[in-house]
Amino acid sequence: KAGVTQTPRYLIKTRGQQVTLSCSPISGHRSVSWYQQTPGQGLQFLFEYFSETQRNKGNFPGRFSGRQFSNSRSEMNVSTLELGDSALYLCASSGDRDYEQYFGPGTRLTVT
Amino acid sequence: GESVGLHLPTLSVQEGDNSIINCAYSNSASDYFIWYKQESGKGPQFIIDIRSNMDKRQGQRVTVLLNKTVKHLSLQIAATQPGDSAVYFCAENTGRRALTFGSGTRLQVQP
Repeated sequence: KAGVTQTPRYLIKTRGQQVTLSCSPISGHRSVSWYQQTPGQGLQFLFEYFSETQRNKGNFPGRFSGRQFSNSRSEMNVSTLELGDSALYLCASSGDRDYEQYFGPGTRLTVT
Repeated sequence: GESVGLHLPTLSVQEGDNSIINCAYSNSASDYFIWYKQESGKGPQFIIDIRSNMDKRQGQRVTVLLNKTVKHLSLQIAATQPGDSAVYFCAENTGRRALTFGSGTRLQVQP
């Protein structure tokens, strides 16, 4: 079974721009969660989607948004990028009946 | 590689020794806990989990202990190997698939 895939793996953007990151979950998984990882704040929960609906949201500003498609693939978008948005963005998928989350390799976003 | 945390506590052990990594969690209502391993340049990798109605669970070379009274988790790795060198995170489930992660511990295995 293929694991969670994320694209792109690396991205460099300029302040004020917007960015879209993509995540393909493990086949059959309908839940996709997104996390931000920085050296200062560690791993922080952004939001979780299930069957195209956002079920849970972390404490991030509205510039961070996401969506999920009918095939469970998910995207997250960050608008009006700030230097502090530089981070590793991780997505994780899980099956319907368990909390075990499987992570992808992440997208390293650098904002200059 | 990925700099997961610039000021992580570090546990240094000799190859073949047992390792114990500790974690304090915050939410007494959390019902599920996971240990993850993260190697440089990779996403967190699931190691072992435990539900709040248990106090111990064993896997292959790993054991997780849960003490709900003091909100403490530990991960024990038997016969630590160089391939175990990584950053280890505990995580608690605080809502549907919303994991709250600890700050992590770097494990260094000396050959």
